[in-house]
Amino acid sequence: EADIYQTPRYLVIGTGKKITLECSQTMGHDKMYWYQQDPGMELHLIHYSYGVNSTEKGDLSSESTVSRIRTEHFPLTLESARPSHTSQYLCASSADGTGGTEAFFGQGTRLTVV
Amino acid sequence: SQQGEEDPQALSIQEGENATMNCSYKTSINNLQWYRQNSGRGLVHLILIRSNEREKHSGRLRVTLDTSKKSSSLLITASRAADTASYFCATDGTGANNLFFGTGTRLTVIP
Repeated sequence: EADIYQTPRYLVIGTGKKITLECSQTMGHDKMYWYQQDPGMELHLIHYSYGVNSTEKGDLSSESTVSRIRTEHFPLTLESARPSHTSQYLCASSADGTGGTEAFFGQGTRLTVV
Repeated sequence: SQQGEEDPQALSIQEGENATMNCSYKTSINNLQWYRQNSGRGLVHLILIRSNEREKHSGRLRVTLDTSKKSSSLLITASRAADTASYFCATDGTGANNLFFGTGTRLTVIP
């Protein structure tokens, strides 16, 4: 069982609300990622971080923002949620960013914006 | 994009049969990994193969890598109903510092 946790597991909110998806890991990993995945589809990298105070945008443009104030915590925020943000959001971490070690994933947050 | 593509998109087999999934990618890589995802859950790492390796085994899993063809295959032998899941390959790409995932193969093993 990976030591990476996402909350909430499911979230249904109204359009225009501000939300924060939480992700925490206890493995001391420097590298953390956020992926977006529609049902039955591929994963798209939307944000990543090399360590504290480091955040970068991924391949898929996203209106969300992230922060990395502590090594173990990598929250994702949507300032004003829209129905187009409905998706599953997966957080992951790895010991290094070169692809030489496995990534550990959280269980995901399934977001529905109505 | 460095993202790979899995083939087939979906595969349905009887329990006990072998399942083979293929992954093609676009750029040079350092490593290739395979992950499994149960419906609506996070991904679980299965196996990693480095660019200088051609074949690797782990239990009922066998992975091959052909860097000249930019392709990899995942073989699951003696499949079980519990193997039902989506399987993704992930590559890093030389010079890249992230994991890029393919489109996935949805495997259904019928008891």
